[in-house]
Amino acid sequence: EAGVAQSPRYKIIEKRQSVAFWCNPISGHATLYWYQQILGQGPKLLIQFQNNGVVDDSQLPKDRFSAERLKGVDSTLKIQPAKLEDSAVYLCASSRGGTSYEQYFGPGTRLTVT
Amino acid sequence: KQEVTQIPAALSVPEGENLVLNCSFTDSAIYNLQWFRQDPGKGLTSLLLIQSSQREQTSGRLNASLDKSSGRSTLYIAASQPGDSATYLCAVKGGNNRKLIWGLGTSLAVNP
Repeated sequence: EAGVAQSPRYKIIEKRQSVAFWCNPISGHATLYWYQQILGQGPKLLIQFQNNGVVDDSQLPKDRFSAERLKGVDSTLKIQPAKLEDSAVYLCASSRGGTSYEQYFGPGTRLTVT
Repeated sequence: KQEVTQIPAALSVPEGENLVLNCSFTDSAIYNLQWFRQDPGKGLTSLLLIQSSQREQTSGRLNASLDKSSGRSTLYIAASQPGDSATYLCAVKGGNNRKLIWGLGTSLAVNP
């Protein structure tokens, strides 16, 4: 079974520029998550999708971050405009759905904002 | 509000030692607890998932236990190897929002 795919793996941009990340979850996984992990901290949930609907986006800075999951499969996370404090690893995870299932993570995208 | 603490923050051991990583949580009303491994600059690898009704899970040299009443979980690594060097994070799922609440991790170095 293929794992969670993410691209790009690394991205360097200047502040005020925009950037987009892509995630392809494990086939058949209904739930998709985007996390932000700042160095030395645990992951912070930005948004959770169940199929193509948003379940939780309470910690998503909606003035600059947006995410979509069209057709309930792939997802994109966008930041516009980026700030220095957005430098982090952005992790995508998926699970079968429901409370009991494990979350499987992709390799992450390391974003550096200069 | 659920809080997850991992002790120690860092650990250095010689190869071959058996070791225990600790995870404690403040609210015992959890659905499950998951242990992850994170290598530098990499994503998270799920190691073990323990449901709230379970006491332990095993995978190879890894054994994770769960004691909900005391709010504790341990990850036991037998016969440690240099390849085990990584950061180990635990996360609990619980509460009304059913989010994963994360510890800050234990950074493990296994020295040859």
